[in-house]
Amino acid sequence: KQEVTQIPAALSVPEGENLVLNCSFTDSAIYNLQWFRQDPGKGLTSLLLIQSSQREQTSGRLNASLDKSSGRSTLYIAASQPGDSATYLCAVNDYKLSFGAGTTVTVRA
Amino acid sequence: EAQVTQNPRYLITVTGKKLTVTCSQNMNHEYMSWYRQDPGLGLRQIYYSMNVEVTDKGDVPEGYKVSRKEKRNFPLILESPSPNQTSLYFCASSSNYRGGDTGELFFGEGSRLTVL
Repeated sequence: KQEVTQIPAALSVPEGENLVLNCSFTDSAIYNLQWFRQDPGKGLTSLLLIQSSQREQTSGRLNASLDKSSGRSTLYIAASQPGDSATYLCAVNDYKLSFGAGTTVTVRA
Repeated sequence: EAQVTQNPRYLITVTGKKLTVTCSQNMNHEYMSWYRQDPGLGLRQIYYSMNVEVTDKGDVPEGYKVSRKEKRNFPLILESPSPNQTSLYFCASSSNYRGGDTGELFFGEGSRLTVL
């Protein structure tokens, strides 16, 4: 059974600092991995989808890498802003979708 | 605007009173699914549908029913709700389902259900 872990559970950084969020998974036979953002009381917003054949994906200040062999993905957010404060979840797709518990990020102004 | 719409967004009900949470998407997606999110347990899949009239159980289907009579709608039915079904529910859809690969998922805003 796929297990997805996100460490740390919470992170607080000053504005302008780069954010590094980690996601690890136990079974490397995956179709893809998706990163989401969730604001309090809101739904999940898709940030990036990385196919199993890809090493990374970029969108604006966001960059996600994928290393299937080691079972890891990292989400980088450059030059963080207070508006980046949210919970970030990764989801691994290996026939079914398995979610991590998320990392709650606070960016201090 | 492309979106997944859930209703109601908030609901307080009593044990045993049947309820339906509706989900509708306007993106002509084939794949739709329901999740519940609970503190400490994360997101867990309840049911999913690969197309009209094709549904299957997820990880936690007990106490729930679904139907997929039209492509755009995927209602979640609680025939006899119990307090352990108090949760935040999300509907999601995707256009790229292929043999287990759900592709990029789009989520609704969530429905917070409280069963007393």
